[in-house]
Amino acid sequence: EVQLLESGGGLVQPGGSLRLSCAASGFSFSSYAMTWVRQAPGKGLEWVSGISGVGGSTYYADSVKGRFTISRDNSKNTLFLQMNSLRAEDTAVYYCARRVVPAHSFDYWGQGTLVTVSS
Amino acid sequence: DIQMTQSPSSLSASVGDRVTITCRASQSISTYLNWYQQKPGKAPKLLIYAAANLQSGVPSRFSGSGSGTDFTLTISSLQPEDFATYFCQQSYSTPYTFGQGTKLEIK
Repeated sequence: EVQLLESGGGLVQPGGSLRLSCAASGFSFSSYAMTWVRQAPGKGLEWVSGISGVGGSTYYADSVKGRFTISRDNSKNTLFLQMNSLRAEDTAVYYCARRVVPAHSFDYWGQGTLVTVSS
Repeated sequence: DIQMTQSPSSLSASVGDRVTITCRASQSISTYLNWYQQKPGKAPKLLIYAAANLQSGVPSRFSGSGSGTDFTLTISSLQPEDFATYFCQQSYSTPYTFGQGTKLEIK
């Protein structure tokens, strides 16, 4: 069974940093591109970042470019999102998801981890 | 960036109704269009990929169509568990943008 489990969320002050993790199981992790999607309270979905299966290619939304870094450790089946220079508008539930070839859709999602940026 | 516009933003319907949600892209995205369902407090769930393909395990009352810039999600006969928010998403190019969502409520 495919499972994705995020961790690392919490309360952080503006300008601070946080590192999210997404532990994957039930599939060949290195064979799949992965992505982070966030959802601000009461709002819609926003794609944040993506990474190829071997980690050689990374992609970012303009809203986080230069502040967030996506990475993965295929030996530990884990996806990461390093978030620096956090702003109030980064407050959201962050989901990791698996990206699959048919239309680059996201077929499995984690349960999400809440990041709150506030003083 | 490609903008995705869904309509309507909200919709009231009854069990057994046929409903259609529309998604329009700001430029042609071929069939790189996916639909997700989200219930309160839960992660989104993939329903339809590549515009018209039903994800495994999704009931056949859900269907999708369209190509280019105009797409639709249809639920042929609403069931109580279908009341949720639906999002379209383009995966033609990064950033992979989502529509603003359509909240489907019970009439």
